[in-house]
Order: sequence, then structure tokens, then C-alpha cells
Amino acid sequence: AQTVTQSQPEMSVQEAETVTLSCTYDTSESDYYLFWYKQPPSRQMILVIRQEAYKQQNATENRFSVNFQKAAKSFSLKISDSQLGDAAMYFCAYRSAYKGGSEKLVFGKGTKLTVNP
Amino acid sequence: NAGVTQTPKFRILKIGQSMTLQCTQDMNHNYMYWYRQDPGMGLKLIYYSVGAGITDKGEVPNGYNVSRSTTEDFPLRLELAAPSQTSVYFCASSSNPSYYGYTFGSGTRLTVV
Repeated sequence: AQTVTQSQPEMSVQEAETVTLSCTYDTSESDYYLFWYKQPPSRQMILVIRQEAYKQQNATENRFSVNFQKAAKSFSLKISDSQLGDAAMYFCAYRSAYKGGSEKLVFGKGTKLTVNP
Repeated sequence: NAGVTQTPKFRILKIGQSMTLQCTQDMNHNYMYWYRQDPGMGLKLIYYSVGAGITDKGEVPNGYNVSRSTTEDFPLRLELAAPSQTSVYFCASSSNPSYYGYTFGSGTRLTVV
């Protein structure tokens, strides 16, 4: 079974600075998808960024980018020019690409990000 | 476009009571999911559906039931509520989970006392 580990329960960053959130995962599959979700205090889960395992190029969405290291099974999220609105819980998630494989997203336990003004 | 709508937002149940958590999506998504989120933990899958009339168990299905009679609705039924079911429940949907991920509802906070 796949597992996702987020080793940093809490992180903090100064406004306008850069922060990196860590995520590692364990799988025997070679084809899969990885996601970062943001959960602000409103509780709504919002998709931040997505990475396909067969693509070597790291995904980027505006101020959010990932460092995907397939061999190391690592998928970190970098937030540049941090803003107060970035404060939230961030969840890393894994999904198998195989038809007939598990339909679920496997989530890590989350990292709480605080942004200090 | 309302997205995924969950009702109620909050509920307190007594041990042994039953209730249904409602979930409706207006995006014509085939895939729908129910997750629970316990404090300090990630989300755990309870049940999921890949289309109307098709449902399957996730990691933690005990004490819950679902039905999917229409594409839009995916209610979660709790029978004989127990304190261990105190949690935040999220419904989610997707047209293509691998490409788009999920669209989540805003959650239902359930307390069983």
C-alpha cells in the first residue's frame, strides 16, 4: 500500500520570503500522480499543483513550484514571495495511474504553514 | 456554478442516533468520494463511486453506508453513531481524478456525544 509522509507538522515563513514544504512517499508503482492541496481555515480543500510521475519537468503554478525527485520518492512544494493568504494546512497526496488500481487519493498528515507579517 | 455542496455544516449527534450527510455536485462528475479528517491526521477514504449505481468501500467503511442513484447526489449514511465517528467529513468529486484532482465540498463537522 502506498503511504505519504509529511515530516514537518508546522512551518513558518516571513511574508515575501520563500518556504519549502517536504513530502515523501512510498510506492512500488512507476506511474502515478502527485498533488498538493491547501486547506485554509475555511476548511475548503483547494488544489494547488499537480505532477505526473512520467514527466521529468517540475510543475509550476505562479508562485508555487515543486521539486519532484522520482528516484528519491520526494515531492516538495516551494512557495515563493509568501503572502498572508498562503497561511493554511498543506496536504501532499498520491494517486495510482493504473486502471483497476486504487481509486483513492492517499494523503499525508499535513503541514501547517504560518505566514508572519 | 455551486460546485460540491455539503449539508449540514455542523451537527451534534447522540450515541446510537443515525443521520445522513448530503452531498450534491452540479458539474456532471462521475467520480465522487467521501473522506473523513481526524485531528492531526490526513484524510481517510470512506466510500467512493465511479458513476451512478456504482459504489465501493474505501479504507474506513465500517459504520457507514452510501448510495448513488443519480450522478449529482452521493449521500453518506451513519447508522448507530459512535464517538469514534466524531470527525470532519468531506465529499469530493471529479471528472478525471488523475488530471484534475478532486473538487471538495466545505465539509461537515460531526460530533457524537
